[in-house]
Amino acid sequence: EVVMTQSPATLSVSPGERVTLSCWASQSISTNLAWYQQKPGQAPRLLIFGASTRATGIPARFSGSGSGTEFTLTISSLQSEDFAVHYCQQYHKWPITFGQGTRLEIK
Amino acid sequence: EVQLVESGGGLVQPGGSLRLSCAASGFSFSDYWMTWVRQSPGKGLEWVASIKQDGSEKYYVDSVKGRFTISRDNARNSLYLQMNSLGGQDTALYYCVRELFSGAGNYYVYWGQGTLVTVSS
Repeated sequence: EVVMTQSPATLSVSPGERVTLSCWASQSISTNLAWYQQKPGQAPRLLIFGASTRATGIPARFSGSGSGTEFTLTISSLQSEDFAVHYCQQYHKWPITFGQGTRLEIK
Repeated sequence: EVQLVESGGGLVQPGGSLRLSCAASGFSFSDYWMTWVRQSPGKGLEWVASIKQDGSEKYYVDSVKGRFTISRDNARNSLYLQMNSLGGQDTALYYCVRELFSGAGNYYVYWGQGTLVTVSS
């Protein structure tokens, strides 16, 4: 099983700041990585797939990078609506696995 | 518009069974892998099971192998999850999800609203 590890678990940031979330895979997953954002009471929303491709309707302030085992999600200027939990997910091999999530909270 | 509507959740005793259903509309159901993802209260996301377009391939997370069965009825545009020998660790909101592009990879842009399964005596 590919274990996905996200760091940090919680990040306190101020609106307008640039933030980088990290995700590591326990083995190479090429660029078969997706990022999701989840707000309380809502289903997750796909942000990024293929490690760096934004899904339809996702603002340009969200960008993804990485390949192999190390990946990042960068939000260039945090907006109030971005304070949520963000998950990475690998779809390189079965079983599909998610990271434990990084919560962005207002500083 | 793609719609995924789950049903069948509820309160069940430990050791009991439930069958979840997902009614799909707004797309050609038989063209897509379909998946169940769950989320325990206050916890993260866990992929549960996926099924290929024609049902010929099925994959499960280890913790449900031998207890859960994923199936589909393409004529009815429906996805199912038969859950047996339920335990407290199965308490979760179960989402029916669809891959973004047919066969391009199991990442999910379409999510249902979820159906809550509570296992308790």
